[in-house]
Amino acid sequence: AQSVTQLDSHVSVSEGTPVLLRCNYSSSYSPSLFWYVQHPNKGLQLLLKYTSAATLVKGINGFEAEFKKSETSFHLTKPSAHMSDAAEYFCVVSAHSGGYQKVTFGIGTKLQVIP
Amino acid sequence: KAGVTQTPRYLIKTRGQQVTLSCSPISGHRSVSWYQQTPGQGLQFLFEYFSETQRNKGNFPGRFSGRQFSNSRSEMNVSTLELGDSALYLCASRGLAGGPASTDTQYFGPGTRLTVL
Repeated sequence: AQSVTQLDSHVSVSEGTPVLLRCNYSSSYSPSLFWYVQHPNKGLQLLLKYTSAATLVKGINGFEAEFKKSETSFHLTKPSAHMSDAAEYFCVVSAHSGGYQKVTFGIGTKLQVIP
Repeated sequence: KAGVTQTPRYLIKTRGQQVTLSCSPISGHRSVSWYQQTPGQGLQFLFEYFSETQRNKGNFPGRFSGRQFSNSRSEMNVSTLELGDSALYLCASRGLAGGPASTDTQYFGPGTRLTVL
């Protein structure tokens, strides 16, 4: 079975403060993990991807995520929030299953940035 | 390289009608997946096409169908529209260098916003 749990549906931070968006996953296989961002009325944009090369993954716009196998977590962080970071963020797990790629999305975390 | 394009961007239909949405993948990508996004259900996988064949299917009724052409462009059709079909429909393409089970990154289009009245 494969699942993704985004622990917070809404996160609110002040501009200039750190961002932490939490994601836990479950997979029977060695998964690839992704974070996507979606701005209002837009498609999903890839922030970063983990594929077992390095546990700390750096993405675009100053975001990074750390893969922790022992905790089955893939939390997204950014040292200093910017107003333009206000959006919805999705954690995604992808793994082989029955000869196909099985992709599971989290429910999303809406990030609010307060000026 | 051009990204994934979807047409039309917005659609308004009435119950009982049918609708066809179009997706053009990134040049060279052979896989196209479709997703439905609603506030209540989040992002749900509809189906994936690879080399004109449906490779994977989500848990949606038969009113939802799709196809892929030899140039990898894909269409999705919804027949007998219901109010609950109102959603943002997203298309994503993958390179699939490693075959259908590859975990290549998916790249998403901007979506088609379907409103059913």
